[in-house]
Amino acid sequence: GAGVSQSPSNKVTEKGKDVELRCDPISGHTALYWYRQSLGQGLEFLIYFQGNSAPDKSGLPSDRFSAERTGGSVSTLTIQRTQQEDSAVYLCASSSPTSWQETQYFGPGTRLLVL
Amino acid sequence: QKEVEQDPGPLSVPEGAIVSLNCTYSNSAFQYFMWYRQYSRKGPELLMYTYSSGNKEDGRFTAQVDKSSKYISLFIRDSQPSDSATYLCAMTGFNAGNNRKLIWGLGTSLAVNP
Repeated sequence: GAGVSQSPSNKVTEKGKDVELRCDPISGHTALYWYRQSLGQGLEFLIYFQGNSAPDKSGLPSDRFSAERTGGSVSTLTIQRTQQEDSAVYLCASSSPTSWQETQYFGPGTRLLVL
Repeated sequence: QKEVEQDPGPLSVPEGAIVSLNCTYSNSAFQYFMWYRQYSRKGPELLMYTYSSGNKEDGRFTAQVDKSSKYISLFIRDSQPSDSATYLCAMTGFNAGNNRKLIWGLGTSLAVNP
């Protein structure tokens, strides 16, 4: 079946502009995660959704970052007033609620470059 | 101290070599241990997972967990150029709100040279 998809695959923006990143999880997966990956920094957890609610937002780096999920499916990560340090690959993952080992299935990521 | 430590490498080996990748962790409450593989410009994909101490084998790959030493390993036998990727360890823990979450290592970059 279809995997996790993300759009756009690449995004170049100017400092100060807002960007929206989209994630389409695997159908039936109620858990959805956003991560940020920078060179040499590993995977940085941003936010976790269970259904439409976000019980864990602890990884959002500032109030410029927000995310929502509607219909228990698609999620959007919004970065307002982008800064150069926001440049990174933004990865989305989804998982099944019955997956005790928390197997997360990742999308290909959105590569964000802030000039 | 990070909860999970993983040497980022890079690690470069000749084709056919045995590769050993390792992570150490500090939280004895971790229950499930996973290895993900990430090819360049792709998202990570699950390679193997284990629950208890001991070995788990899948083809050329063996995952090993030593809970007493808080140490996990991934061995790759007869390594191939197609194994060139970043390998991330991950394990299940709980955050301050008692929500289960994955704790990730930094990833080790592996290059297998023909």
